[in-house]
Amino acid sequence: NAGVTQTPKFQVLKTGQSMTLQCAQDMNHEYMSWYRQDPGMGLRLIHYSVGAGITDQGEVPNGYNVSRSTTEDFPLRLLSAAPSQTSVYFCASSTSGTGYNEQFFGPGTRLTVL
Amino acid sequence: RKEVEQDPGPFNVPEGATVAFNCTYSNSASQSFFWYRQDCRKEPKLLMSVYSSGNEDGRFTAQLNRASQYISLLIRDSKLSDSATYLCVVNRRTGNQFYFGTGTSLTVIP
Repeated sequence: NAGVTQTPKFQVLKTGQSMTLQCAQDMNHEYMSWYRQDPGMGLRLIHYSVGAGITDQGEVPNGYNVSRSTTEDFPLRLLSAAPSQTSVYFCASSTSGTGYNEQFFGPGTRLTVL
Repeated sequence: RKEVEQDPGPFNVPEGATVAFNCTYSNSASQSFFWYRQDCRKEPKLLMSVYSSGNEDGRFTAQLNRASQYISLLIRDSKLSDSATYLCVVNRRTGNQFYFGTGTSLTVIP
């Protein structure tokens, strides 16, 4: 049982490049989400999904796309990277997006945009 | 106004001390409350959920005050291994979103 996995662990991009951050979970969780963490800002929700085929925007969705074709996978796409997207990105999964449900986090992807 | 607010600290306390953190939330529709722990450069992990009646797990006690909309975490007999950032997290009845505070940094000194 691997839990939540993320790849890559580190990435450096140039402004304007695109890339996909991968996230997978093996706990059969319906709810998955992406956060970015910046110093002094805490974790901010980018996008979330309550099940395969269903996604919605969080607090800071601009510049990011997501899709959920399977229960297990929830990739995050950066369309045209900007220095403001330099951050640590965490993927999380949970049984549900409401109630007393523990969120399980992946180890994070540290992204630098030059 | 932020959904969840915490004092960022840092709190520097000696081993064996008792330390308390508070967190306030702005939305009265908030339903579920948590404390997560995050070690340096690691992912957050659930420390404990916070229930209306208050709850305790070993040296850790969490309290919820719905009327004043704040949550507290008390750590007794601090250990060096308690050094971390503690994140307050709130979830509403609807909306499928978890809201994180910016975290409170704790360093336990030998």
